[in-house]
Amino acid sequence: AQSVTQLDSQVPVFEEAPVELRCNYSSSVSVYLFWYVQYPNQGLQLLLKYLSGSTLVKGINGFEAEFNKSQTSFHLRKPSVHISDTAEYFCAVSVDGGSNYQLIWGAGTKLIIKP
Amino acid sequence: NAGVTQTPKFRILKIGQSMTLQCTQDMNHNYMYWYRQDPGMGLKLIYYSVGAGITDKGEVPNGYNVSRSTTEDFPLRLELAAPSQTSVYFCASSYSGVGELFFGEGSRLTVL
Repeated sequence: AQSVTQLDSQVPVFEEAPVELRCNYSSSVSVYLFWYVQYPNQGLQLLLKYLSGSTLVKGINGFEAEFNKSQTSFHLRKPSVHISDTAEYFCAVSVDGGSNYQLIWGAGTKLIIKP
Repeated sequence: NAGVTQTPKFRILKIGQSMTLQCTQDMNHNYMYWYRQDPGMGLKLIYYSVGAGITDKGEVPNGYNVSRSTTEDFPLRLELAAPSQTSVYFCASSYSGVGELFFGEGSRLTVL
């Protein structure tokens, strides 16, 4: 069965420092990859997605992610974080489930910005 | 532009009670989903629909029911509430099965 692993449940980082949130997936077939962000007491919103083409994907709020097929990873990066980036980040993988694409979710990583 | 609207935002139920979580979207999306979110567990799919009149079970459907009589509405029914159903519930919609999901703000349900 396909799975998505977010290796860190929490990542504390100082403001203006760089950050990387890690995501690995297990799938032997072609996948589509997503990062969603959830701000406190809100729903999730799309940060960025990889469907095809360039493996480096740029998203909103200065975030980017790189699809690495050989390592089955889709790590999220930002060169300089701000206090407003405090949120939980979810990696998700869409795989062909036969009759419908199934979205598999990671458990989430809480980004904690230290002033 | 309202997007996906869920009601109620908060609800406390007693064990054995029933209730319906409402979900409406105004984007004319064919695909709609109900997820539950528990701490440290990510999102679990309860039910989904690929169009009016068509629904299917997700990963954790037991104790829930859905209907999809219109493109806009996708209510989730909880019958005989149990403490294990204490969770935050999210409704989402998308234009296609592969594309971006648009989420509501969530409904926090507590069963005591």
